[in-house]
Amino acid sequence: DVVMTQSPLSLPVTLGQPASVSCRSSQSLVHSDGNTYLNWFQQRPGQSPRRLIYNLSNRESGVPDRFSGSGSGTDFTLKISRVEAEDVGVYFCMQGKVWPHTFGQGTIFEIK
Amino acid sequence: QLVESGGDLVQPGGSLKLSCAASGFAFSNSWMGWVRQSPGKGLEWVANVKSDGSLTSYVDSVKGRFTISRDNAKNSLFLQMNSLRADDTAVYYCVVGRGAIWGQGAMVTVSS
Repeated sequence: DVVMTQSPLSLPVTLGQPASVSCRSSQSLVHSDGNTYLNWFQQRPGQSPRRLIYNLSNRESGVPDRFSGSGSGTDFTLKISRVEAEDVGVYFCMQGKVWPHTFGQGTIFEIK
Repeated sequence: QLVESGGDLVQPGGSLKLSCAASGFAFSNSWMGWVRQSPGKGLEWVANVKSDGSLTSYVDSVKGRFTISRDNAKNSLFLQMNSLRADDTAVYYCVVGRGAIWGQGAMVTVSS
């Protein structure tokens, strides 16, 4: 199985400041169709996960543009340009290139 | 929208069937899956089914015990779970595609 490794696992963040999460996969997520099947999810306390970014860098409809995804091959980053209070929760990366789809361990965002 | 039902407390070795009612999108054209979340194991993609039901995939830990199916005429997804074990205890989410939409989750507890 493809192993997804996130860092850090916990991230104290300051409102209005940038923040980023890293995710590394044990094999390349570039598919033969040209897509990189790396997604990012946000899970707010008490809620279901919500997809923020799909195929490496595409924001879902309604996701604020302060969220961005980047990377290539096996190394990926989720960036928040300016953290807001509503961003508190857990962030997961997920690979959808090969079965079984696998998730990172999650990064807990907490406000300092 | 996705609405799961059928979660319950069941004894080890028992069976349970989860249902997911879909609305608001082209269900019959969408791959569907079940993802579970437990405190000890994080997020785990359990099973997938192709839009027409002709292809199914399972994570190794549930192969031979769980069966995913769908009824496109009723916009419904199912997960039949047999020979349940304590480590199957989790919240089970119905998801569209590679996580584009998630349900609210159904709690399955396996305990004597």
